[in-house]
Amino acid sequence: EVQLVESGGELVQPGGSLRLSCAASGFTFSSYWMSWVRQAPGKGLEWVANIKQEGSEKYYVDSVKGRFIISRDNAKNLLYLQMNSLTVEDTAVYYCARPGWEVFVNHFQYWGQGTLVTVSS
Amino acid sequence: EIVMTQSPATLSVSPGERAALSCRASQGVNSNLAWYQQKPGQAPRLLIYGASTRATGIPARFSGTGSGTEFTLTISSLQSEDFAVYYCQQYNNWPPLTFGGGTKVEIK
Repeated sequence: EVQLVESGGELVQPGGSLRLSCAASGFTFSSYWMSWVRQAPGKGLEWVANIKQEGSEKYYVDSVKGRFIISRDNAKNLLYLQMNSLTVEDTAVYYCARPGWEVFVNHFQYWGQGTLVTVSS
Repeated sequence: EIVMTQSPATLSVSPGERAALSCRASQGVNSNLAWYQQKPGQAPRLLIYGASTRATGIPARFSGTGSGTEFTLTISSLQSEDFAVYYCQQYNNWPPLTFGGGTKVEIK
């Protein structure tokens, strides 16, 4: 059974940093692009970043470029999101998501339960 | 960036009735479109991918049509568990991967 379990969300002050983790199991983690998707309170879904299987390619939504870093550890089946210079606009539930097919980016078949990041003073 | 526009924002439907949700892309995305259902406090759930292929375990009352820029998710006979928010997402041209703003299906 595919499982994605996020952790690391908490209350942080504006300008602060936080690292989210996503523990993957039930599939060959190193075979899939992986993504982070977020959802601000009461709002819609927003793709944040994704990373290629071996980590050689990384892409970000414009609003987080230069502040967030996506990474992965294929030996430990872990996906990370390092978030720096956080603003109140980054307040959201952050989901880890896996596509349905290997090799290339496509629809998100599996989602974690999400972890809440609250940026507030 | 491809902008995804969903309409209506809210759809009021009685149980047993049919619901049709629209999603429009600002430029063609071929059939690289997915639909998700989200209930309060839950992660999104994949319903449809490739514009018209039901994901594993999704009931046949859910169907997707369209290609290019115009897409429709139809729920043939709404059940109580179908009242939720629905999102479309394109994965044809990225970055960024983009979602529509969502359609809330509520009980009439």
